[in-house]
Order: sequence, then C-alpha cells, then structure tokens
Amino acid sequence: DAGITQSPRHKVTETGTPVTLRCHQTENHRYMYWYRQDPGHGLRLIHYSYGVKDTDKGEVSDGYSVSRSKTEDFLLTLESATSSQTSVYFCAISGHEENEKLFFGSGTQLSVL
Amino acid sequence: SQKIEQNSEALNIQEGKTATLTCNYTNYSPAYLQWYRQDPGRGPVFLLLIRENEKEKRKERLKVTFDTTLKQSLFHITASQPADSATYLCALPSSGGSYIPTFGRGTSLIVHP
Repeated sequence: DAGITQSPRHKVTETGTPVTLRCHQTENHRYMYWYRQDPGHGLRLIHYSYGVKDTDKGEVSDGYSVSRSKTEDFLLTLESATSSQTSVYFCAISGHEENEKLFFGSGTQLSVL
Repeated sequence: SQKIEQNSEALNIQEGKTATLTCNYTNYSPAYLQWYRQDPGRGPVFLLLIRENEKEKRKERLKVTFDTTLKQSLFHITASQPADSATYLCALPSSGGSYIPTFGRGTSLIVHP
C-alpha cells in the first residue's frame, strides 16, 4: 500500500464543535485530495491541493477548510460541525504527472451528533 | 461538469462467469478513464486506466473497453471468483483539461460460489 495515513480512523463529535482530520503521506506526491463518501452520492471532492500552500475547492467545499503547510500533511477542518457532515472521509494522493492514479487512505468515519 | 452513471443495482453472478460492469458519461469526452475497486470499510484501490486513444486494455482477468462514440466504458472480470465481490467505481477527469478525478457511485458485484 502507498504510504498514506489518515487520523483519526473514527470520531464522534457534537454539533457546533470544530474537527480536524489529518492526512499524512510518505510518498512525496504533489497532489492531495479530500473526498467524502455517502450512500447514494458516492465519492465527492471537498478540497484538493497541488502543492504546499496551494489548495482549491471541490464540489462540496462549503463548511470545510484545508491547509497544507508541508508536502506530507493535508489537514481538513470542519469549523463548526453539522449533522450533514456525518460521513466517511477519504484522503487520496497522486504523483507529479497529471492523469496518475489515486492512492487512497483507509478513511475516517465521522459522526456528528 | 462531467456526469457519470453506473448501475446502482448490485450485479449477482455465479463463480466462473464473466462479470460486466458499465460506466456511462455525459458531456465532453475525457482523455482517460479509470476503474477502482472498493471493499467495505476500505478506501478505493486503483485497477486500470485506459486512455481515449485505446479501445481496450487488459490486466490478468480484467478487461476494460472505452467507446468514446457511445460515451461508455465496460469493465469485465473473466472467470469471476467470490473474492472479486466488491464495489467497482469508474472515474474521469471532472472537466476538459482537468486532472481532478470525478467518481461514479459504483456498482456492487457479488460473486456466488
């Protein structure tokens, strides 16, 4: 498996609290992505990064922010969690060239009560 | 943006038969298309990438076709085994000139012994 680690693996939190999910890679890949996966919707892109401090929004970015201060770390923050953000969150990485395959982490199951 | 359609109904087949999964897309024709496998509780795993100038690609028991006229890709697993049971996702660039993958919702394959 590609060296990609997500933490935590599971988290339960309350509505209105801030939450940060971490994605760490050891592959020195340029591109990093955060997706959420929900029944009936499949994988949807939240934010992505194409380099240190270079990030952009995906199709479901409202309520989420990201940061990438180092090549190996990509953080996803829910500033004030809502029940609609209960989901499985996947981080993915890809190499320097466009069109390369994505390597996914094992996911974080987040429950917002 | 790209719209991707995969059959939401599970595909049930007998061991040893060929499984065929379909991925249809609308709008522009992508430069490439990817197939991933996802097991319960795990992140997707890349299987195959096929480019627009390739009609067919094979990897062991897997075969992918890409028909840009029909805007369709077929994913075949020959001599299927119960271990092939999983959800299979197709992915395309989200828009012309983009490298950001957009995923279909996936089709569940169940191979019965």
